[in-house]
Amino acid sequence: DVKVTQSSRYLVKRTGEKVFLECVQDMDHENMFWYRQDPGLGLRLIYFSYDVKMKEKGDIPEGYSVSREKKERFSLILESASTNQTSMYLCASKTQGAGGLYEQYFGPGTRLTVT
Amino acid sequence: TQLLEQSPQFLSIQEGENLTVYCNSSSVFSSLQWYRQEPGEGPVLLVTVVTGGEVKKLKRLTFQFGDARKDSSLHITAAQTGDTGLYLCAGEFGNEKLTFGTGTRLTIIP
Repeated sequence: DVKVTQSSRYLVKRTGEKVFLECVQDMDHENMFWYRQDPGLGLRLIYFSYDVKMKEKGDIPEGYSVSREKKERFSLILESASTNQTSMYLCASKTQGAGGLYEQYFGPGTRLTVT
Repeated sequence: TQLLEQSPQFLSIQEGENLTVYCNSSSVFSSLQWYRQEPGEGPVLLVTVVTGGEVKKLKRLTFQFGDARKDSSLHITAAQTGDTGLYLCAGEFGNEKLTFGTGTRLTIIP
């Protein structure tokens, strides 16, 4: 079974803190993604990575950065957390190939609250 | 950025009824996927459709891809409480990324 795990299910941070969200997949997938999910807005892509040390901006990268030092691990970093970054964060991975022909496997999500 | 609109946003029906939810875009998809997400979990893939006009069935669920590949529908026959969840469509526009719709939150009342 494909497994995507996220370091925390729930996280509460203060405004201005640096926040790290970790994601690990065990299927040797090349592609990894970070999304945020907000009611009525669906999933919006923050960043994705095709390979180790490779990253590309998604639709809403502002206020976020990422790191991929190992193939199985993709980290999302909030340099200075703000209240508008309160959201559900979902990590996903998939094998390389046309985006719509292969399943994206999702982690359970991290619900981040910034106070 | 391509946008996918799903309708309705919320749907609540009695067990045993039929329902249809829709996914629409102004752009042509290369392919389209439907996912279901249950509370506290990530989305899980239900189906992928690729060809315009394609129809796929998954037990009581029927997925249709529009002829022009700009829209899709999901029809559920004789809904069960286990069908409750958030249904998301996701379109691929010719690259490695998916664009997700806004979602339909379905509640089946016993």
